[in-house]
Amino acid sequence: EVQLLESGGGLVQPGGSLRLSCAASGFTFSNYPMSWARQAPGKGLEWVSVISPGHDITYYADSVKGRFTISRDNSQNTLYLQMDSLRVEDTAIYYCAKHLGATATTRYFDLWGRGTLVSVSS
Amino acid sequence: DIQLTQSPSFLSASVGDRVTITCRASQGISSYLAWYQQKPGKAPKLLIYAASTLQSGVPSRFSGSGSGTDFTLTISSLQPEDFTTYYCQQINNYPLTFGGGTKVEIK
Repeated sequence: EVQLLESGGGLVQPGGSLRLSCAASGFTFSNYPMSWARQAPGKGLEWVSVISPGHDITYYADSVKGRFTISRDNSQNTLYLQMDSLRVEDTAIYYCAKHLGATATTRYFDLWGRGTLVSVSS
Repeated sequence: DIQLTQSPSFLSASVGDRVTITCRASQGISSYLAWYQQKPGKAPKLLIYAASTLQSGVPSRFSGSGSGTDFTLTISSLQPEDFTTYYCQQINNYPLTFGGGTKVEIK
């Protein structure tokens, strides 16, 4: 079955760290760019970060730049998001998403995980 | 960053109605726009990409059009399962951005 499954969310204090994981199955993970997106409670969608198939290119939203690090292990079909210096405003459901293709014209998200909730609170 | 403005934010309609949601980009994005549907407690689902290409498995009552800065999502005949929230997304530039969403409610 083609799917993405996130894990690693939880409750953390401001300034703390979390590492999210996203396990991929049912497709050739190493062929596709992967993104993280998030959704604060009751709010809209926000793109967070992207990594190229060969993990040599990464981009970040300004809101997380310098605090979050995206990475991937193609041998384990797993995507990661290391989140440091967490803030209250980082509270959200975090989704991993597969890009439709590997080119700049196919950055659409055709497969999403169920999401994992990150709560930042003292 | 490219801003996407969706309108309306809320829409009341009845089963069988034809509805149109618009998405305006703050600068030209060619046809690099997608539409997603999100049901409560679920992940978003890709409906349309490249402004007008229907994703596999999506019912044909959904259609998209537009290029440049102005785009529309049309549902030709609303079904009960369509009453939910819709988002547009641009992929022309990083950072990728989403519109604020349109919630379609039952009248």
